[in-house]
Amino acid sequence: VLTQPPSVSVAPGQTALITCGGTNFGSGGVHWYQQKPGQAPVLVVYDDSDRPSGIPERFSGSNSENTATLTIGRVEAGDEADYYCQVWETSGEHPNWVFGGGTRLTVL
Amino acid sequence: QVQLVESGGGVVQPGRSLRLSCAASGFMFNSFGMHWVRQAPGKGPEWVAGIWHDGSNTYYAESVRGRFTISRDNSNNTLYLQLKSLTAADTAVYYCVRPSSSTGGSFDPWGQGTLVTVSS
Repeated sequence: VLTQPPSVSVAPGQTALITCGGTNFGSGGVHWYQQKPGQAPVLVVYDDSDRPSGIPERFSGSNSENTATLTIGRVEAGDEADYYCQVWETSGEHPNWVFGGGTRLTVL
Repeated sequence: QVQLVESGGGVVQPGRSLRLSCAASGFMFNSFGMHWVRQAPGKGPEWVAGIWHDGSNTYYAESVRGRFTISRDNSNNTLYLQLKSLTAADTAVYYCVRPSSSTGGSFDPWGQGTLVTVSS
């Protein structure tokens, strides 16, 4: 189970921190997706802290002591979206790809 | 560029079946494992099923095991999901997704999704 706060609010230009808590992040690290209304999710951080090409440097990730954090610096109105963390569990009988419940980022 | 285009969604009665398709282009389809992920209205994504690049192995979420079947046709660059014994809990947007370039289990890109509504 991955636990995320339901909502985070931040003023434009400030830094948003979105957390993801879990007991087993697996060996592949934590991944983060951004989803805007009516659109498919988009990968913004993978393997804890790497960014796909085209994702602004303002998006960064970290993972420590069973808590992963997505950090969005210099938040813009266009960052308002739902954010989901995800891990790949390989320790059980069957592999499983697990998503968190999501965090709604509101830009004030 | 990589494109994933789903089709086959619609309104279906409880207990009935449906087959979803995903047409892939812009990459070597037969070199990648592929997955289906669904998202119920107002909920987060839920991984549904995955298949190896050559179709030799498949994996399913507990919630769909025994009712859904994932398959692929590498000669036509197409991924499928057969849905059976559908219930209202299966109502969701179903996305076709490709693993990202990393080995950590992330998904990139996602298709635009196809909506399945189970209702009498």
